[in-house]
Amino acid sequence: GIQVEQSPPDLILQEGANSTLRCNFSDSVNNLQWFHQNPWGQLINLFYIPSGTKQNGRLSATTVATERYSLLYISSSQTTDSGVYFCAVVNTGTASKLTFGTGTRLQVTL
Amino acid sequence: DGGITQSPKYLFRKEGQNVTLSCEQNLNHDAMYWYRQDPGQGLRLIYYSQIVNDFQKGDIAEGYSVSREKKESFPLTVTSAQKNPTAFYLCASRATSGGLGQFFGPGTRLTVL
Repeated sequence: GIQVEQSPPDLILQEGANSTLRCNFSDSVNNLQWFHQNPWGQLINLFYIPSGTKQNGRLSATTVATERYSLLYISSSQTTDSGVYFCAVVNTGTASKLTFGTGTRLQVTL
Repeated sequence: DGGITQSPKYLFRKEGQNVTLSCEQNLNHDAMYWYRQDPGQGLRLIYYSQIVNDFQKGDIAEGYSVSREKKESFPLTVTSAQKNPTAFYLCASRATSGGLGQFFGPGTRLTVL
């Protein structure tokens, strides 16, 4: 099956710093989503982005499907950004089943 | 208020007992999914359903069963055959048109003693 790798696995930032999270995948995809899992376990949709670039406030994401990677940018980080960020993909032809990466754990400190 | 609800939030059971986790959505989504998350890991797909009265096994279906009798509901039963049932269980749903991806409920933490 498709492999999804995220980097870095852990990241500590001071409040106000910027960061880039990366997601590499091993096969063609027709869906890619970024999620933020908060300390209570809730998975929050950030982006549905099979290709191109999207922005939502301090967050933006870019997927280059032909090169099999996606990037999540967090600017001016806040303590509420802490948690785990997951990338998940739907391998082309697999009936919309999401395959998750192992996540990037982000801690934003004061 | 539209969304996905899961109940209970926490569940404790003795080893050897079957337990059913509830998942309800009022988003009018056709597809529904069950995932399992172990500590420090990503999510793994247990079962999914793209239409009422039909469902398919995911990657880790052994020891689990589901039903899809109503569009809004997709309950998951963790049977005594599941060797390591203690985990965080998340339900998701998706509209089959519109291209917005999957949306998740708040999850149920199951602990088997």
